Amino acid sequence: NAGVTQTPKFQVLKTGQSMTLQCAQDMNHEYMSWYRQDPGMGLRLIHYSVGAGITDQGEVPNGYNVSRSTTEDFPLRLLSAAPSQTSVYFCASSYTGFGGPNEQFFGPGTRLTVL
Amino acid sequence: DAKTTQPTSMDCAEGRAANLPCNHSTISGNEYVYWYRQIHSQGPQYIIHGLKNNETNEMASLIITEDRKSSTLILPHATLRDTAVYYCIVRGTRAALTFGKGTLLTVNP
Repeated sequence: NAGVTQTPKFQVLKTGQSMTLQCAQDMNHEYMSWYRQDPGMGLRLIHYSVGAGITDQGEVPNGYNVSRSTTEDFPLRLLSAAPSQTSVYFCASSYTGFGGPNEQFFGPGTRLTVL
Repeated sequence: DAKTTQPTSMDCAEGRAANLPCNHSTISGNEYVYWYRQIHSQGPQYIIHGLKNNETNEMASLIITEDRKSSTLILPHATLRDTAVYYCIVRGTRAALTFGKGTLLTVNP
């Protein structure tokens, strides 16, 4: 298993540009999520999905869109990039989004700089 | 989800046990205690979780007090590769994790 993969690893954008961060998992996990991590801070939840066709907002959703058309993929779209979105973005997945304990698996991250 | 309190940083000598404390005084009955760690610039890595009883796996041990208001993660023989930020997270039925700033554990040779 490749686990959770993210592309690209690094990206530089200009203010106002749009882009999509890709996330894929091959573990047949129902639950997927996106976090951002700013310097010296913990991770903050942007959006999450409990299954194909179902998404919901996390703590910091503004400026980001998501969709979940397949179990494997959960792309994160930046609509109009702003310098405040400069961060490291992590995608995570777990077997289920409800009930009981289950560990989350994280991808290696995408380092985004918005100029 | 209940909030957690951890020391900002700790040091440990290589080969010694590292004991990382966490306070979660507002934890409720159905909430689990999770530990993750993040080695520099990498994605967080799951370590262990528990509800009431102490737990042990190949990476670490988790000791939860009887009143469940605090816990300790124990790395029995710390190595330089264990230098990382360790996050204590209390999680209920929802999968979403709420990360604080964690504890930076530095293992010294």
